[in-house]
Amino acid sequence: DAKTTQPTSMDCAEGRAANLPCNHSTISGNEYVYWYRQIHSQGPQYIIHGLKNNETNEMASLIITEDRKSSTLILPHATLRDTAVYYCIVRPPLARGKLIFGQGTTLQVKP
Amino acid sequence: DTGVSQNPRHKITKRGQNVTFRCDPISEHNRLYWYRQTLGQGPEFLTYFQNEAQLEKSRLLSDRFSAERPKGSFSTLEIQRTEQGDSAMYLCASSYDRGNAEAFFGQGTRLTVV
Repeated sequence: DAKTTQPTSMDCAEGRAANLPCNHSTISGNEYVYWYRQIHSQGPQYIIHGLKNNETNEMASLIITEDRKSSTLILPHATLRDTAVYYCIVRPPLARGKLIFGQGTTLQVKP
Repeated sequence: DTGVSQNPRHKITKRGQNVTFRCDPISEHNRLYWYRQTLGQGPEFLTYFQNEAQLEKSRLLSDRFSAERPKGSFSTLEIQRTEQGDSAMYLCASSYDRGNAEAFFGQGTRLTVV
């Protein structure tokens, strides 16, 4: 299974963009990159996923490098409610949707 | 609310007792997953259903654990003879039966074994 590496923690000022990096240098060509977040004491929340192209939805943007070895999740205008643990997950082929979570990045948005 | 629903939200039980949790997935979703999460760790996969068929079980799922999805709708996770090490958040998720379909999680059941 492709492994992901994320910083343990990051801070961001409220109203600024939060850029969360993820390294997945062993990713295979057919593996998707998923991002989930987990606010304290709640279940994980799906944010976005992508294969090769950059993706954007109402929550965030996902930038995947051309070689696909790394990606960045961008929250364009972070709010205090975005404080959470953010998980970058590479989904193995034939995983039938199973997600392998790492430790994630704890993002603290500060006023 | 049409999201994934889990009951109960909290459960405190004495060591050695049996407990059962229920998960109601999003109604159109064929896939259903159970995960376990201990403090400070990311969720760990336990088992997966496609409709009523249990297609994959993690090695974490000891013989004291059993999961069912009898009619391909709701699912139950039972833990027999609970141990203190079973204390964790038990999460359920569901998704469409489609290669890259995203999974949606419930709020979880927090189990405390005393």
